[in-house]
Amino acid sequence: GQNIDQPTEMTATEGAIVQINCTYQTSGFNGLFWYQQHAGEAPTFLSYNVLDGLEEKGRFSSFLSRSKGYSYLLLKELQMKDSASYLCAVTDSNYQLIWGAGTKLIIKP
Amino acid sequence: IAGITQAPTSQILAAGRRMTLRCTQDMRHNAMYWYRQDLGLGLRLIHYSNTAGTTGKGEVPDGYSVSRANTDDFPLTLASAVPSQTSVYFCASSRGPDNNEQFFGPGTRLTVL
Repeated sequence: GQNIDQPTEMTATEGAIVQINCTYQTSGFNGLFWYQQHAGEAPTFLSYNVLDGLEEKGRFSSFLSRSKGYSYLLLKELQMKDSASYLCAVTDSNYQLIWGAGTKLIIKP
Repeated sequence: IAGITQAPTSQILAAGRRMTLRCTQDMRHNAMYWYRQDLGLGLRLIHYSNTAGTTGKGEVPDGYSVSRANTDDFPLTLASAVPSQTSVYFCASSRGPDNNEQFFGPGTRLTVL
């Protein structure tokens, strides 16, 4: 079967750095997405990785290792507005997006 | 319209009633999707459409139907609602089925009593 695993919840302090991990087992691989979802709102696109390595976009970076079936999202200089759920999703061989259950990130002052 | 819209925002429905959730996008995206999101579970794909005139079943299609008469609209119908269909429903679109950055509508919160 296809499976995406990520921690259910994480807590971090304002101004700090947090890493949210995602491991996946899917039938084929055509890219990995990270989305942010604030409570009561729709998911919004954060990053996309299809090749191994690190993609940096401002305070957010995403890393991919296809051989390990592993990705992480790194958030730097955390702000209170970063409190949200972070969803990992993988595009399988049929170009369907397989979604993880999401990681709820709580930022404390 | 800018982006992707859904209607209604929320709805309380008696079991057994028929309900259509509306979704419209103005980005000329070929592919559209319907998801449900339940607490503790990831987004689960109900139905999708890779292009106007075609539809396909996702992970949890039972009890739901869709149509794609044109590029912009992708309605989701519950023929006879049941309490297990209580959920938040998101419509999404992408440029194409192999270009999977998906843009989401604001969601419809549906309660079936």
